[in-house]
Amino acid sequence: EAEVAQSPRYKITEKSQAVAFWCDPISGHATLYWYRQILGQGPELLVQFQDESVVDDSQLPKDRFSAERLKGVDSTLKIQPAELGDSAMYLCASSFIGGGRTEAFFGQGTRLTVV
Amino acid sequence: AQSVTQLDSQVPVFEEAPVELRCNYSSSVSVYLFWYVQYPNQGLQLLLKYLSGSTLVESINGFEAEFNKSQTSFHLRKPSVHISDTAEYFCAVSRMDSSYKLIFGSGTRLLVRP
Repeated sequence: EAEVAQSPRYKITEKSQAVAFWCDPISGHATLYWYRQILGQGPELLVQFQDESVVDDSQLPKDRFSAERLKGVDSTLKIQPAELGDSAMYLCASSFIGGGRTEAFFGQGTRLTVV
Repeated sequence: AQSVTQLDSQVPVFEEAPVELRCNYSSSVSVYLFWYVQYPNQGLQLLLKYLSGSTLVESINGFEAEFNKSQTSFHLRKPSVHISDTAEYFCAVSRMDSSYKLIFGSGTRLLVRP
């Protein structure tokens, strides 16, 4: 069964360093999401792509976070500089919208710890 | 804007007992409704969804949820839980328009005790 691939699974970085996460969605899924999940809370949408275009980045802290999906396939989320409060699980999801199917499929996530 | 409320942060229950996890939502437009399950250090897995049609939806592992439009609720139930059902459960909504943005509740931790 096709899966959303994310790497790395775990990342420890020092405060003020740069960090990047990668996501490869399920083939054919035009919509890609990046969520941040702080321990004990529900996922919060950071950015949503439709193909290579950003359709929602209203909750993305743009002073330090950036996201791209250059060819409309895989995507990278970057944080520079990282802060202690960025420690969280970063989840990537993708969806195929159409034909009565609308659910999002999630990757295993990247657990970020900023020290 | 949409919002999702899961009033119970943790629900402890004994094995083989029934359980209900509550979810209420707020939205000015029609929405799709979902329940996701998350095991420790894992991503989210879709448990079940309501898109249209019958208001009672079921999953393959015995969970069911009922969409109640008048009460804007989508509670999750299981008549008899197992130890392996211990996990975090998230209710989510998505607008029925081109955005398909998923909004999640804060989650309910189901703790099944022997």
